[in-house]
Amino acid sequence: DQQVKQNSPSLSVQEGRISILNCDYTNSMFDYFLWYKKYPAEGPTFLISISSIKDKNEDGRFTVFLNKSAKHLSLHIVPSQPGDSAVYFCAASARTYNTDKLIFGTGTRLQVFP
Amino acid sequence: NAGVTQTPKFQVLKTGQSMTLQCAQDMNHEYMSWYRQDPGMGLRLIHYSVGAGITDQGEVPNGYNVSRSTTEDFPLRLLSAAPSQTSVYFCASSYWGSDYGYTFGSGTRLTVV
Repeated sequence: DQQVKQNSPSLSVQEGRISILNCDYTNSMFDYFLWYKKYPAEGPTFLISISSIKDKNEDGRFTVFLNKSAKHLSLHIVPSQPGDSAVYFCAASARTYNTDKLIFGTGTRLQVFP
Repeated sequence: NAGVTQTPKFQVLKTGQSMTLQCAQDMNHEYMSWYRQDPGMGLRLIHYSVGAGITDQGEVPNGYNVSRSTTEDFPLRLLSAAPSQTSVYFCASSYWGSDYGYTFGSGTRLTVV
C-alpha cells in the first residue's frame, strides 16, 4: 500500500510559468513533509520541508503548501527555469511517533522548456 | 567534507552471488538508511539505523542485511543476489529531527544477471 502518492509521473511547463507538483498521503501519523530534487546519475538533494503545524513554507522560488484535512501537499515553483528540469520526490515522516523514517512517493519528472 | 560516500558506483553480479555495498558518512549523523530506486516505484526504504548498534527494517527488507557497528559506516549486504535486486541503491544520513532531511550518496547501480 503506497502511503505517499504522486499521481502525475510527468509535467511539462514553459520557462517563466508556474510549476505545480502534487503529492497525497494516506497515513495520518505523518507530521513532517519534504521535497527532494533528483538529477540523473546523482543522489536526491533536499529542496524544502514543512511541518504539520504549518500550512505554507517558502524558500525563494519554491513554496510548499500543506492541506492536512485533505492529506495533500503541493510544491509551487515560480518562475520555472530550465535548470529546474529534474525528478521531484515528496517524502513524509512521523516524527511525533519517534521515527525519522522517510517514506517517498514515486516521483514526478518536471521538464521546463524555453 | 565528503558527506555520504557510496562504493562501488557500478556492480554486476551473477545470480546467487553475495556482496556488500559500502556507505560511509563523515558528518556524525545518528540516522542512516538505505533506499532502492526502481522505475515507477520511487525510492523504497530497505533498512535504517538510528544509531550504532541499532537497525530496523524498512518497506522492502527481504534479501538484504545491515549492521551498524560505528556511527560512520552502514554497509548493506546482499545475501544471495537475484535479478529482482537489479536497482540503483542510495544511502542517506541525517541528524535526528533535522529540518533539512537526509543527505544522500550518489548511488550504486547494481545489475544482477
